[in-house]
Amino acid sequence: GEDVEQSLFLSVREGDSSVINCTYTDSSSTYLYWYKQEPGAGLQLLTYIFSNMDMKQDQRLTVLLNKKDKHLSLRIADTQTGDSAIYFCAEITDQTGANNLFFGTGTRLTVIP
Amino acid sequence: EPEVTQTPSHQVTQMGQEVILRCVPISNHLYFYWYRQILGQKVEFLVSFYNNEISEKSEIFDDQFSVERPDGSNFTLKIRSTKLEDSAMYFCASSRDSPNQPQHFGDGTRLSIL
Repeated sequence: GEDVEQSLFLSVREGDSSVINCTYTDSSSTYLYWYKQEPGAGLQLLTYIFSNMDMKQDQRLTVLLNKKDKHLSLRIADTQTGDSAIYFCAEITDQTGANNLFFGTGTRLTVIP
Repeated sequence: EPEVTQTPSHQVTQMGQEVILRCVPISNHLYFYWYRQILGQKVEFLVSFYNNEISEKSEIFDDQFSVERPDGSNFTLKIRSTKLEDSAMYFCASSRDSPNQPQHFGDGTRLSIL
């Protein structure tokens, strides 16, 4: 079955870049997503990448996809204290009839002022 | 920006009681989902719904669970006879016109079973 893994914690200093990593096992993944969860809030869609892309940039966010190694990363440039949250990697596969997201464990990002 | 809304934000229920969690998906979205997140665990898929019927469900979604779209705006999750292990955060999501479109989530309902 599908398995999506992330490291649990990451601490960075304000102004530095953050890199949150994710690995997945399903080679038929079509879309890969990053969601942000602030305390007490829901899952906010940050960005997503189609599996035939290597990179996607959206303002301070850069997503890198290494499909050969099944590795996805999210880079946040100039990290701010408001970026402190849990970041979830999620994938959706190309299996017929499958339309559900498989989530990673989430990485808790702490930004130190 | 349109958003998915869920009510209530917190539901406390006695074990064995029925509970209904409510969601209003984004208005022009056609696919609807329920996920849950037990404290400290991954977000898990429960069920997807399209064209007024379940399109996919997970092993978690047993006979105690049901979903309904009672009118043109609401999407509900019913748990018939709640168990302690049903305590979790329940998230509703919707996507536009295909399951590959990004899924947008509500803020969740925290369900506490006593």
